[in-house]
Amino acid sequence: GAVVSQHPSRVICKSGTSVKIECRSLDFQATTMFWYRQFPKQSLMLMATSNEGSKATYEQGVEKDKFLINHASLTLSTLTVTSAHPEDSSFYICSASRGIRSLSEQFFGPGTRLTVL
Amino acid sequence: RKEVEQDPGPFNVPEGATVAFNCTYSNSASQSFFWYRQDCRKEPKLLMSVYSSGNEDGRFTAQLNRASQYISLLIRDSKLSDSATYLCVVNRSGYSTLTFGKGTMLLVSP
Repeated sequence: GAVVSQHPSRVICKSGTSVKIECRSLDFQATTMFWYRQFPKQSLMLMATSNEGSKATYEQGVEKDKFLINHASLTLSTLTVTSAHPEDSSFYICSASRGIRSLSEQFFGPGTRLTVL
Repeated sequence: RKEVEQDPGPFNVPEGATVAFNCTYSNSASQSFFWYRQDCRKEPKLLMSVYSSGNEDGRFTAQLNRASQYISLLIRDSKLSDSATYLCVVNRSGYSTLTFGKGTMLLVSP
């Protein structure tokens, strides 16, 4: 199978702090990783797409300076929410794709629930 | 118009019932179609891909109507464990990104 892990699974922080979320593909190399956000009763919204070794591509309306993405290796991508505020509280989910030919097949991590007080 | 639209439900059905969900998509360039299942506070998991000729996987049948731009999912003999939110997902040709619908909630009761 293709397993993707995320860490931490849950984080509670004070307003103004930065939070780093890790996404790892455990048994395959992920050329592309995706970061999504899901608010209660809403659909998953793609935030950004990252390819290993290059800058992430952000979706319209997502601030790249606030949501820093690093995809330094084929098995690890990180999302840092800088200066988090209560409105950033959400469920953040990453996914990973194995290769160009199977780009539409994405394997999802278990998600990180962020609560900003 | 939203790219992917679904009736949010909830659909309340008894065990053993047959239930069907529809989903419409707006982008005619959409190439790949999927149904994902998402349990409460969990990540989405791929249920099945949807092929032009229609496909079946056990109690689940998916169909695609490109002319009308809608996708359907039929669940036969519903189980309690089928209770979840079902997400309709499309992917545009040449793009790696997936577009998710808001999901349709299914509640199967004893």
